[in-house]
Amino acid sequence: KNQVEQSPQSLIILEGKNCTLQCNYTVSPFSNLRWYKQDTGRGPVSLTIMTFSENTKSNGRYTATLDADTKQSSLHITASQLSDSASYICVVSYTGTASKLTFGTGTRLQVTL
Amino acid sequence: NAGVTQTPKFRILKIGQSMTLQCTQDMNHNYMYWYRQDPGMGLKLIYYSVGAGITDKGEVLNGYNVSRSTTEDFPLRLELAAPSQTSVYFCASSYSRGRKDTEAFFGQGTRLTVV
Repeated sequence: KNQVEQSPQSLIILEGKNCTLQCNYTVSPFSNLRWYKQDTGRGPVSLTIMTFSENTKSNGRYTATLDADTKQSSLHITASQLSDSASYICVVSYTGTASKLTFGTGTRLQVTL
Repeated sequence: NAGVTQTPKFRILKIGQSMTLQCTQDMNHNYMYWYRQDPGMGLKLIYYSVGAGITDKGEVLNGYNVSRSTTEDFPLRLELAAPSQTSVYFCASSYSRGRKDTEAFFGQGTRLTVV
């Protein structure tokens, strides 16, 4: 069964600190891996999308890494800001009849003063 | 830049009532999706469409129906609402051709409560 597991479930950090979120997946065959940010009460917004051949991609203070051999990804947030408080969702796409997406349950990040 | 627009934002239904959640996108995306998100859970696919006139079920079975008469619109119909359908519903769209996938764009969500 295709699964995406994220850790930790939740995280509290001080403003200005860095943090790393983890994602493990068992999706096969693999098409791409995406990280989304979801603010409370809003729809998810894409941060990065990586294909099999890419092992790192940055979007401002967000840097995602991918190890397709071990089926692991991480999202590193640098110099966190209060506005980074949100859920971060790892989503894996597998090839097939349609580009279906398998969602992780997310890591809830809270950035405090 | 409208993107993906969902209406309504909130709705309370009584058990057994029916309603349609509207979704429209202006990005000329061929793929559209409906998901539901329950508290503490990942998004679950209800239905998807790869183009006008083509729809297929996701992993959430029963209680829903969709149509895709145009590229832009992908309404989700709930017949005979049940408390188990209380959730937040997200519509999304993306472009996919061959092995090229673009990011999926999501609407703001519809929070539905069935009482």
